Amino acid sequence: DVKVTQSSRYLVKRTGEKVFLECVQDMDHENMFWYRQDPGLGLRLIYFSYDVKMKEKGDIPEGYSVSREKKERFSLILESASTNQTSMYLCASSSRGEGYTFGSGTRLTVV
Amino acid sequence: GQQLNQSPQSMFIQEGEDVSMNCTSSSIFNTWLWYKQDPGEGPVLLIALYKAGELTSNGRLTAQFGITRKDSFLNISASIPSDVGIYFCAGLPVGTSYGKLTFGQGTILTVHP
Repeated sequence: DVKVTQSSRYLVKRTGEKVFLECVQDMDHENMFWYRQDPGLGLRLIYFSYDVKMKEKGDIPEGYSVSREKKERFSLILESASTNQTSMYLCASSSRGEGYTFGSGTRLTVV
Repeated sequence: GQQLNQSPQSMFIQEGEDVSMNCTSSSIFNTWLWYKQDPGEGPVLLIALYKAGELTSNGRLTAQFGITRKDSFLNISASIPSDVGIYFCAGLPVGTSYGKLTFGQGTILTVHP
């Protein structure tokens, strides 16, 4: 069964910390995506990547960066966590022309 | 970024009732997808539609790709308590790069036993 695995289901971090969210897919997909999900705001795209070392900003990239050194792994980095980054983070991957496969999500709380 | 117009935003129904939700856009789409998200989990693909007019079923779920390519609907028949969750429509707009989907805001479904 194909999988997108997010390294943590729940995280609690302190304001100002550097936070790494990891995502790994085993489907050899070219495209990988990071979304955040907040009540009433739907799914908002933070960053995506269409190849190793290639990345594009999504709709809300401020305060975030990403890294894709290997095809199967896409990392989201919160450079200096703030309380307004408390959210559910979802990673997804896809191959061209197909729908996404999502991970189970990471619920991040910044205190 | 662009979002699809998904309605209704929420539904409260009795077990056994049928459910209908839809998504519309001002743009043309090549692909329509419907996802379900259980509480605390990531969305899971329910149905994928690739051709205008296509009608596809998955158990009690039926979805259609609108003839104009600007809309899609999802029906759930004889709802059960485990149908509870958030249902998202998503589409792949014509000319989009890198397979980036456009999402609806979601329909929150509550089923009373």
